[in-house]
Amino acid sequence: AQSVTQLDSQVPVFEEAPVELRCNYSSSVSVYLFWYVQYPNQGLQLLLKYLSGSTLVKSINGFEAEFNKSQTSFHLRKPSVHISDTAEYFCAVSDQKSGGSYIPTFGRGTSLIVHP
Amino acid sequence: KAGVTQTPRYLIKTRGQQVTLSCSPISGHRSVSWYQQTPGQGLQFLFEYFSETQRNKGNFPGRFSGRQFSNSRSEMNVSTLELGDSALYLCASSGWSVNTEAFFGQGTRLTVV
Repeated sequence: AQSVTQLDSQVPVFEEAPVELRCNYSSSVSVYLFWYVQYPNQGLQLLLKYLSGSTLVKSINGFEAEFNKSQTSFHLRKPSVHISDTAEYFCAVSDQKSGGSYIPTFGRGTSLIVHP
Repeated sequence: KAGVTQTPRYLIKTRGQQVTLSCSPISGHRSVSWYQQTPGQGLQFLFEYFSETQRNKGNFPGRFSGRQFSNSRSEMNVSTLELGDSALYLCASSGWSVNTEAFFGQGTRLTVV
């Protein structure tokens, strides 16, 4: 079974500073990788995903993540964070399960706290 | 199009009672998955329904059950509630393949007292 490790439970950072949220997963033949964001009292929203092709994927609000197969990692980065980026971030890994579904396995989450 | 709708948003129940939560997926989505989110355990997969059939199941006791109707709406039921069942229950709907992302509802916050 897949497992996902988010190495930091909490990452405090000052506004406009760069940030990296780390994610490692257990190896598999082929995986699909996701980052979701959860704002307080909300469900999860997809931030970005890697399915195939270019190993660097980007979101519309400045986040990017790079798939590194040799290190089984999918770290999330942003060069300059805003207060509004304060949220919980979840890394997820999916591979094909029985019946053809792709149920993602989630990491424990990283709380990004942006200070003014 | 409308997103995933979960009802109710908040619920308070007493130990030993049972509860039913509802999820209406995005129109056209046939897969509905349920997750339990707690501060200690993170997001844990409960089960997935596809075309009214349970297709995958997580590692939860039999007190947790679900079903899906012909219109893809899904319900999950928890019987004989325990204090540890207090959590945010999230429902996600998705389309046919991994190319269609999972869309999450806002969740139902269940508090067992």
